[in-house]
Amino acid sequence: NAGVTQTPKFQVLKTGQSMTLQCAQDMNHEYMSWYRQDPGMGLRLIHYSVGAGITDQGEVPNGYNVSRSTTEDFPLRLLSAAPSQTSVYFCASRTGSNYGYTFGSGTRLTVV
Amino acid sequence: AQSVTQLDSQVPVFEEAPVELRCNYSSSVSVYLFWYVQYPNQGLQLLLKYLSGSTLVKGINGFEAEFNKSQTSFHLRKPSVHISDTAEYFCAVSRTGNQFYFGTGTSLTVIP
Repeated sequence: NAGVTQTPKFQVLKTGQSMTLQCAQDMNHEYMSWYRQDPGMGLRLIHYSVGAGITDQGEVPNGYNVSRSTTEDFPLRLLSAAPSQTSVYFCASRTGSNYGYTFGSGTRLTVV
Repeated sequence: AQSVTQLDSQVPVFEEAPVELRCNYSSSVSVYLFWYVQYPNQGLQLLLKYLSGSTLVKGINGFEAEFNKSQTSFHLRKPSVHISDTAEYFCAVSRTGNQFYFGTGTSLTVIP
């Protein structure tokens, strides 16, 4: 049981490049979310999904797209990377509102 | 909207001393409450959670938290900290629905 798997762990992008951060969970969780973590700002929700085919925006969605074609996978796409997107990104999944999130180990992204 | 306030951004404490990390939330309805720990360069791990019942909740690594409905607080405590407890601690709130709300985190540093 691997839990939540994120790839890659580290990435450096040039401004304007696009990329996809991968997230997969093997726990059959309904809810999946993407957060970014920046110093002094805690965790901010980018996008979330309550099931396959259903996604919605969080607190800071601009510049990011998501899709949920299967229960297991929830990729995050950066359309045109900007230095402001330099951050640590966490994917998380849970099975209900009274259950805590299980987090991936994170992707550290630097945009130069 | 829900909000979570962690009053202390940094808490230094000597080894074997007690510690309390404070968390307050805004809500007039029933909520679920969580504490997470993040060790350096890792994802978040669930420490403990309050769903209902006894207001004193025990978690992993000797931590416990007390739910106080009248003060809308969920403070985390440990009677004797170890060097290995040095980490970032996040309080989170959820209620029926899709959103989790995280505090901005408290950095606990245990001093030898």
